[in-house]
Amino acid sequence: DVKVTQSSRYLVKRTGEKVFLECVQDMDHENMFWYRQDPGLGLRLIYFSYDVKMKEKGDIPEGYSVSREKKERFSLILESASTNQTSMYLCASSSPEAGNNSPLHFGNGTRLTVT
Amino acid sequence: DQQVKQNSPSLSVQEGRISILNCDYTNSMFDYFLWYKKYPAEGPTFLISISSIKDKNEDGRFTVFLNKSAKHLSLHIVPSQPGDSAVYFCAASAANFGNEKLTFGTGTRLTIIP
Repeated sequence: DVKVTQSSRYLVKRTGEKVFLECVQDMDHENMFWYRQDPGLGLRLIYFSYDVKMKEKGDIPEGYSVSREKKERFSLILESASTNQTSMYLCASSSPEAGNNSPLHFGNGTRLTVT
Repeated sequence: DQQVKQNSPSLSVQEGRISILNCDYTNSMFDYFLWYKKYPAEGPTFLISISSIKDKNEDGRFTVFLNKSAKHLSLHIVPSQPGDSAVYFCAASAANFGNEKLTFGTGTRLTIIP
């Protein structure tokens, strides 16, 4: 069974802090994704990566960056946290070998509060 | 611009009855559709999918119907069980873009009443 692990379930950070959200998957998946979930807005794609050191912007990349130094690990970075980045962050992975539309496997999420 | 819309934020259904969750989309390039289920404090899990070459896909108690002309899909759960209480997201993608362009709806919270 695919396991996607997000290092923190809850985080509280102050405005202006640099924040790192870590995600690790154990199924050797090439594709990894970061989404945020907000009430009334559903899941929105922030960044994704389809290989080590590769990254692509999603629909809402502003204020975020990512790092993929190893295949199993995908980090989301908030360079200077702001209150509008308070949200639930979800990491996901998938394998392109299963076809372009293979289901995403999600982690349990990190609820980030920026005060 | 919300390309995938779930107009019902919540739905309550009696246990044993049919639950019908609806989803509309606007982008005619979408040709693959998925439903995900999310419990509180957990990530979404894949439930069922359908390709645009089909109009129905069934998996146990779950059936997804696709009406391409109306740009509408629905998820039927029969019979509904208390464990089905969760938030359901529909999602869509276009073959040319693959996974990275999976667009999600806003979700519908389903409550099954015992």
